[in-house]
Amino acid sequence: RKEVEQDPGPFNVPEGATVAFNCTYSNSASQSFFWYRQDCRKEPKLLMSVYSSGNEDGRFTAQLNRASQYISLLIRDSKLSDSATYLCVVNLDTGRRALTFGSGTRLQVQP
Amino acid sequence: DGGITQSPKYLFRKEGQNVTLSCEQNLNHDAMYWYRQDPGQGLRLIYYSQIVNDFQKGDIAEGYSVSREKKESFPLTVTSAQKNPTAFYLCASSIEGVKTEAFFGQGTRLTVV
Repeated sequence: RKEVEQDPGPFNVPEGATVAFNCTYSNSASQSFFWYRQDCRKEPKLLMSVYSSGNEDGRFTAQLNRASQYISLLIRDSKLSDSATYLCVVNLDTGRRALTFGSGTRLQVQP
Repeated sequence: DGGITQSPKYLFRKEGQNVTLSCEQNLNHDAMYWYRQDPGQGLRLIYYSQIVNDFQKGDIAEGYSVSREKKESFPLTVTSAQKNPTAFYLCASSIEGVKTEAFFGQGTRLTVV
């Protein structure tokens, strides 16, 4: 079983739609969680950190459910510029302090 | 401007050659990382270093080597023992600690010819 699992997509949505991505992680001792965005052939960039209380940044909302070991990202009012791959990222508390990445979910927003 | 610089952006390697990818950061970060990304895949950890003169293997270290002689620099050598080296290589750095995000360089695209 992969340490971080995501639906690869692609998710094809029209502009203005609301879209949600989920991600599950296997290690219950994981301590920190992030969503990164990666554009085609570019480096990943931090979109937002994910906290137990949930957090929102404009059109983006991230949630963490520790009991079920999943993380979600909600994008409201999708823009064409949101088209990218969204990577779920976990920092495992196994003594190895390095981020573990999911394979990513591809989003294509269409006009 | 602070950041992470990887060079070269594109690199072509002949079979049997060793090549070294450069990664330099001026963010004063203690921790540095190397990841490999194959098409349609996530990032896989090759090596990481939390402090100068110390580094640990990640999930796919075979065929790779690193050094960390300076805080700012973490070069990756892809050796001839790496049988399938064609990939996108990403270097990252972070403040030491579990809850910190990582910042990435722009990557090196390595192709074996």
